[in-house]
Formats: sequence, structure tokens, C-alpha cells
Amino acid sequence: GEEVAQTPKHLVRGEGQKAKLYCAPIKGHSYVFWYQQVLKNEFKFLISFQNENVFDETGMPKERFSAKCLPNSPCSLEIQATKLEDSAVYFCASSRTSENQYFGPGTRLTVL
Amino acid sequence: AQKVTQAQTEISVVEKEDVTLDCVYETRDTTYYLFWYKQPPSGELVFLIRRNSFDEQNEISGRYSWNFQKSTSSFNFTITASQVVDSAVYFCALSEAGGGADGLTFGKGTHLIIQP
Repeated sequence: GEEVAQTPKHLVRGEGQKAKLYCAPIKGHSYVFWYQQVLKNEFKFLISFQNENVFDETGMPKERFSAKCLPNSPCSLEIQATKLEDSAVYFCASSRTSENQYFGPGTRLTVL
Repeated sequence: AQKVTQAQTEISVVEKEDVTLDCVYETRDTTYYLFWYKQPPSGELVFLIRRNSFDEQNEISGRYSWNFQKSTSSFNFTITASQVVDSAVYFCALSEAGGGADGLTFGKGTHLIIQP
């Protein structure tokens, strides 16, 4: 596709439940990025992939967050045992090179 | 470590006024990219411009213009004759062009309010 697609648009989870978010990058883009935006403000880089390989995961809270990009499947970001502070909008972006990142519409995660 | 500072948290102007959004960055790399994104109330992130560190030419696109000055590590964004539709949060971002899939470092954003 010509746009980055993210599903679901909204996700509500009780504290301690698992949350899984999906991202389909633009066709032909080999780089995928995940960002977390809290309170409509600060963006935090979480992880990037080059094809199905993790490139940079320095921003990931590794104890509960994991991500994958498998061939012929949407990329995913999974949060085990969600906490209240995980409430945020999670953006996925893709690029053909590192120069231009195109962002999806985001998934709003609300943890109650 | 890289850092982007947008010191203006919120700016409010009356329609048709010109407005400049400031962005100051820090990086140790000599090769890097600077970006501006717009986030309207609907929440999506709209790409506005990318500039690489070797190109200091100013850019103009319609009512938008960008002033890149390496000497002051600034990449400011000016909207001329602002319109209500320009109301949004604007983010400046930096990418160090090292290994290919470098994450962007964002500033905290400037909330621009254009009053009719």
C-alpha cells in the first residue's frame, strides 16, 4: 500500500493484560520504526527494524515490550502485563532509507 | 547524545500574522538530517520537510519557509500569513545518518494556535 496502516485504531486494556499492536509498512519500504507518544507531547523512539532484523532497540523497555517484523506479515508491538503509564499513542513509521520516515495514523492504547 | 529543543511550548497569533517556530539541535555527528512534522488535532503526523546537514540553503514552500543555520545549530520554521488551518502542534526532529534505520529524536513540540 501507499500508506502505513496501523491496527487497531483504539485499544483498551485492563492493567496487567496483554496488548498487541500491528503495523503494515508501505510496500517496498525496508525500515520500520515504532514510537510512543505520551500525552500528545513527547515522542519516544522504541525500536527499528531493517526488514525482519532488529536494528536498534535502545528505547524498548525490554522487560514487558517486544516487537517483530516477520516476512509476509504485519509488524507487531506487544506489551505484556500493561501498566497505566503505557497509555499512549503508538506510531509506526516506515522508510525506504533512513532519510524519510512516513508515519501511520497511530494506535491509541488506554490502560485502565 | 542528540537533543532537539523547541523552547516555545505554545504560540498564539491572529490570522494573517507571520509566525516563527524555533528549533535548536545538538549532535556530535557531521552528517545528520533535520525534519519538521505537523500534528493537527486529528492526531496524525504530517511530514513537512527534511534537510540534510550539508545543505544550508533556505527553503520556501508556499507560505512555509525554513531557515537552517549550522553556526547556531538552528532550524527554524516560519509560516507567512498564517491561517486557522495552520493550528496544530509542530515537531522538529533529528536523525543521525549513521546506520540506516536511525530513530528520530523529537523536540517536545510547539502548539500553534491561529485565532480568526
